[in-house]
Amino acid sequence: QKEVEQNSGPLSVPEGAIASLNCTYSDRGSQSFFWYRQYSGKSPELIMFIYSNGDKEDGRFTAQLNKASQYVSLLIRDSQPSDSATYLCAVNIIDTGNQFYFGTGTSLTVIP
Amino acid sequence: DTAVSQTPKYLVTQMGNDKSIKCEQNLGHDTMYWYKQDSKKFLKIMFSYNNKELIINETVPNRFSPKSPDKAHLNLHINSLELGDSAVYFCASSQVGRSGNTIYFGEGSWLTVV
Repeated sequence: QKEVEQNSGPLSVPEGAIASLNCTYSDRGSQSFFWYRQYSGKSPELIMFIYSNGDKEDGRFTAQLNKASQYVSLLIRDSQPSDSATYLCAVNIIDTGNQFYFGTGTSLTVIP
Repeated sequence: DTAVSQTPKYLVTQMGNDKSIKCEQNLGHDTMYWYKQDSKKFLKIMFSYNNKELIINETVPNRFSPKSPDKAHLNLHINSLELGDSAVYFCASSQVGRSGNTIYFGEGSWLTVV
């Protein structure tokens, strides 16, 4: 199992604040990076993905990738109570058979 | 239309029994997976089929056996169920493309072994 590490939290932020979620990975063969959100009792759903170093923005979400540091993060601006969920970081390694490896997840609670 | 569907959604069974979970995807993807999610929310890869090649995770007990009758189906059979097998099992699929790929999950199968 390729290592993907996240702070398990729980992370609590007030409504309207910025939530910052972090992820590190160990395999330099990792080619693309994903953030998934999982509500309790539901399956993971894709928030966004990033392939290149730098920032990628999608609405209130910004993913940041630094391949040299093997680090990927997710910023959630203007956090809403509906953002309360577990956030899973994943890396994709195509060369070894298109595998996806997930972190342990960070539990986020947005306090109204 | 559900892209990745798996059945049953809930399964309660006794130790020692044998059970199967079925999965089907209508996305035309080449790769399908089984993941196990424990109570701590860790999604652990169990198996993947990529272009008809089975990739086995060595940490999975051989009581677990995937079966893929065709590219759109990947079923999971579990023999001699143990208490520690209680978890949520997710089927998923993906396809490598020019713009990369994304993994799509089924709704999960909640397995409880008593």
